[in-house]
Amino acid sequence: DTGVSQDPRHKITKRGQNVTFRCDPISEHNRLYWYRQTLGQGPEFLTYFQNEAQLEKSRLLSDRFSAERPKGSFSTLEIQRTEQGDSAMYLCASSFSAPYNEQFFGPGTRLTVL
Amino acid sequence: AQSVAQPEDQVNVAEGNPLTVKCTYSVSGNPYLFWYVQYPNRGLQFLLKYITGDNLVKGSYGFEAEFNKSQTSFHLKKPSALVSDSALYFCAVRSQGTGGFKTIFGAGTRLFVKA
Repeated sequence: DTGVSQDPRHKITKRGQNVTFRCDPISEHNRLYWYRQTLGQGPEFLTYFQNEAQLEKSRLLSDRFSAERPKGSFSTLEIQRTEQGDSAMYLCASSFSAPYNEQFFGPGTRLTVL
Repeated sequence: AQSVAQPEDQVNVAEGNPLTVKCTYSVSGNPYLFWYVQYPNRGLQFLLKYITGDNLVKGSYGFEAEFNKSQTSFHLKKPSALVSDSALYFCAVRSQGTGGFKTIFGAGTRLFVKA
């Protein structure tokens, strides 16, 4: 296992279209996180999973955003009816269960909404 | 509410000189504190963390950080900077109490090390 992977690395879409991103975490990790990062800012928490259960979701996450981790392995993040304000880097991270464990980040998916 | 402040957008230091990147935090209860580094076109990488115990934490690439509970700070330090240390550094906090697993990141500090 070489680390957290994300696909695609870049996505350009037109406003109003739906997009889906995939994250494959480190296989031994049971926690998986999604973040959004815009230029000049740190990663902003979106949601996280313990195995297949989505345990917390940011209030900043509108109804257009949904995330799944159906079998407790890979995860998908879908954005419906994209808006230009959704343009950002979407980061995925994984970790072991304990809260003091560090997170391992993927390279991110850069979304551009035209 | 949890928050992290990195008061400097950018830190400039000459190679061989000591460096400090500042971080202060606000959290309910005791914190878990982390430093991550982001190199251009690469994902965030973990540097070091504070859990409990000794206030001076040592991490990767010669970096260390000092936890100061009274000042709610967790400054990142290195005795002698390298040009290759130039990158974007993020401080992060997670509450040991009721904050769940939500981690809050600072806005980042860009470190420039000049040869």
